[in-house]
Amino acid sequence: NAGVTQTPKFRVLKTGQSMTLLCAQDMNHEYMYWYRQDPGMGLRLIHYSVGEGTTAKGEVPDGYNVSRLKKQNFLLGLESAAPSQTSVYFCASSYLRGSGGASTDTQYFGPGTRLTVL
Amino acid sequence: GEDVEQSLFLSVREGDSSVINCTYTDSSSTYLYWYKQEPGAGLQLLTYIFSNMDMKQDQRLTVLLNKKDKHLSLRIADTQTGDSAIYFCAERISGGSYIPTFGRGTSLIVHP
Repeated sequence: NAGVTQTPKFRVLKTGQSMTLLCAQDMNHEYMYWYRQDPGMGLRLIHYSVGEGTTAKGEVPDGYNVSRLKKQNFLLGLESAAPSQTSVYFCASSYLRGSGGASTDTQYFGPGTRLTVL
Repeated sequence: GEDVEQSLFLSVREGDSSVINCTYTDSSSTYLYWYKQEPGAGLQLLTYIFSNMDMKQDQRLTVLLNKKDKHLSLRIADTQTGDSAIYFCAERISGGSYIPTFGRGTSLIVHP
């Protein structure tokens, strides 16, 4: 299994440009998440999905959109990038709630996408 | 509301024990996790503890939970340079949204 993969690994954008970050998981997980990580801020949840075709807002959703058309993929879109969106973006996935104890509730993280907006 | 607090930095000498502390606010937390993030990588689960446990040991790792004080700690025995990383504490509330809440992470620096 590849686990959780993210594409691309690095990207530089100019203010106002758009892009889509792709997250893929091959573990048949129901839940998927997008986080951003900034120095001293830890992880902040942007959006998440509890299953194919569903999405929900997290702590910092403004400026981002997501889609979960297929169970294994979770896309994060930036329609008009701003310098404040310069960050490292992590995708994660986990099993369905209630399917087991903490060991199966574990989140599995991708390697991250480093995005710079000039 | 949910809030998880950690100190930002810890520096130890190789071979010493490291203790990383975490406090949380919600007494209904059921699962508490420690994740490790190595430079340039994503987070990986290190260990976890159920709220009905006081201690869990796994090789060099010892997790202590003080439910009364809402305090969680991770002890790494015989700390090695390969243990240098950011360590995140996270909690998940029973019956809540299922979304875990992460602390800001503690950067562990191990020097010779």
